Amino acid sequence: DAKTTQPPSMDCAEGRAANLPCNHSTISGNEYVYWYRQIHSQGPQYIIHGLKNNETNEMASLIITEDRKSSTLILPHATLRDTAVYYCIVPLSYNTDKLIFGTGTRLQVFP
Amino acid sequence: SAVISQKPSRDICQRGTSLTIQCQVDSQVTMMFWYRQQPGQSLTLIATANQGSEATYESGFVIDKFPISRPNLTFSTLTVSNMSPEDSSIYLCSVSIGNQPQHFGDGTRLSIL
Repeated sequence: DAKTTQPPSMDCAEGRAANLPCNHSTISGNEYVYWYRQIHSQGPQYIIHGLKNNETNEMASLIITEDRKSSTLILPHATLRDTAVYYCIVPLSYNTDKLIFGTGTRLQVFP
Repeated sequence: SAVISQKPSRDICQRGTSLTIQCQVDSQVTMMFWYRQQPGQSLTLIATANQGSEATYESGFVIDKFPISRPNLTFSTLTVSNMSPEDSSIYLCSVSIGNQPQHFGDGTRLSIL
């Protein structure tokens, strides 16, 4: 079973920040948090990952709480092309190759 | 990141037949994986394709139904055998290099009549 919990859907106005939460209360000390998204008719796209420090790249920022039990993916200026299903994944520490996809959050960006 | 090509991109097949899906990467990769995404569902890992040895299958998936080959570090195939309508899905290949995140191809859309 997936080790994460995400809201099933969210809306965001174009140009505004999209903040996608993820709960991973059973995460262990050496397990990373990964975020992927899947735009319709495409394969999942890697966005970002982190362990305990906040991370930022050209696509998004990842904020991980100090207790590491939850995180938030931030798309600073959402566009219509960001409409997708976003997956928060915590691979097993003893098998980090095994990605278990939950149901994700369907983000709808509207004009 | 590696460029991943899957062939065919889509197909419509008759029940009882088999289809082999190819995954080609433009550089050598450490790991290759096969996933299934049933209509309206999330992704499920089928197996890890091991270079030069038998694939490692996840619970609920067996080699007779989904034989996998990986003859080298850039290529793998997944065969869906004796297909039925329940096998209608998107089949995706993913790869990783070292401890870098997995990257996915765009998948093969398979419909069984």
